Amino acid sequence: RKEVEQDPGPFNVPEGATVAFNCTYSNSASQSFFWYRQDCRKEPKLLMSVYSSGNEDGRFTAQLNRASQYISLLIRDSKLSDSATYLCVVTPFVRGKLQFGAGTQVVVTP
Amino acid sequence: NAGVTQTPKFQVLKTGQSMTLQCAQDMNHNSMYWYRQDPGMGLRLIYYSASEGTTDKGEVPNGYNVSRLNKREFSLRLESAAPSQTSVYFCASITRGSTLTGELFFGEGSRLTVL
Repeated sequence: RKEVEQDPGPFNVPEGATVAFNCTYSNSASQSFFWYRQDCRKEPKLLMSVYSSGNEDGRFTAQLNRASQYISLLIRDSKLSDSATYLCVVTPFVRGKLQFGAGTQVVVTP
Repeated sequence: NAGVTQTPKFQVLKTGQSMTLQCAQDMNHNSMYWYRQDPGMGLRLIYYSASEGTTDKGEVPNGYNVSRLNKREFSLRLESAAPSQTSVYFCASITRGSTLTGELFFGEGSRLTVL
């Protein structure tokens, strides 16, 4: 079983709609969680950290569910520019190496 | 700001040839990483260097060697390239302790094809 698993999608979303997707992780001792964004043929970039209490950054909301061992990302009022692959990233222990999921592709259509 | 610079951006090799991917960062980061990315597989760690003078294997080190030349530079060498090493390679860096903040800075990637 992979350490970090994501639905590869694609999630086809009409412009202005809301989309949400999850990422599951296998190590219950995981410490830190992040979402990265990767545009086609580009390098990944940090989108946001995921805190225990949940956090919001503009139209993006990230949640952590430790009991069920998953994190989620919700995008409200989707823009065409949100089309990308979203990578879930987990640090299994303090100062451990970042572990990447394979990514969820989101395609926002006009 | 250059950030993380990788060279070359594209390379085509024949099976059995060798080559070195170069990576340099100008952010004074302690830790540097080499990943490969294949369709459906996500980013897989090849080697990393937690600090100058140290290197460690990651998830998929076979067929690769690395050198942490100094704090700025971390190179990846393919001694005898194989078609299975066709991939996009990313170098990344992070400052000490920042695995908690998660901000790994990536280079633009090197697209390698082995025929």
